Amino acid sequence: DGGITQSPKYLFRKEGQNVTLSCEQNLNHDAMYWYRQDPGQGLRLIYYSQIVNDFQKGDIAEGYSVSREKKESFPLTVTSAQKNPTAFYLCASSRADRPNSPLHFGNGTRLTVT
Amino acid sequence: AQSVTQLGSHVSVSEGALVLLRCNYSSSVPPYLFWYVQYPNQGLQLLLKYTSAATLVKGINDFEAEFKKSETSFHLTKPSAHMSDAAEYFCAVTLSGGSYIPTFGRGTSLIVHP
Repeated sequence: DGGITQSPKYLFRKEGQNVTLSCEQNLNHDAMYWYRQDPGQGLRLIYYSQIVNDFQKGDIAEGYSVSREKKESFPLTVTSAQKNPTAFYLCASSRADRPNSPLHFGNGTRLTVT
Repeated sequence: AQSVTQLGSHVSVSEGALVLLRCNYSSSVPPYLFWYVQYPNQGLQLLLKYTSAATLVKGINDFEAEFKKSETSFHLTKPSAHMSDAAEYFCAVTLSGGSYIPTFGRGTSLIVHP
């Protein structure tokens, strides 16, 4: 079955360490997205990519970095510069050529930084 | 620019009662509208989408939503709530022009009492 795989499901890190969250899709989608979810704040867009080797900052990109070297993969690095990294992170993908194309989501990675 | 407002961060109903979750949007061009559901510790799943073919849209699990241009609304309803409907619900909008990046509402938590 086609879908999006995020790994790991739970991640624990010490403050000051960089950490990379994995996101892989086999839906042949051009567009991929990273969202951060905090209680009561909905989904906030971190980065998105609509084509390989290109990506754009979202609303809360500070302290995060991404790469898009392959169509299937869009890893997110949470750097030590992110002041409050503990959150639930969601990766999604969609077609990039149609506005009515829904997003397909992974099951998320819960990051805890202490 | 587009925006989405979901009225009520929490909605509580009894099992068997009508479910009504409210979503209002703001856009300068015809929108594409989506409702997603999120169960605890999971990603979002598409419930239904409006793409201008019909104003009343039917989705999975007996949910439906009606697009009302005059009211700029896309409220989600279900005739009879089930315990398994307890989840977080998100309304989202994309526009026919621009980057097709969706904007999400803050979400409404549906609580179902036995």
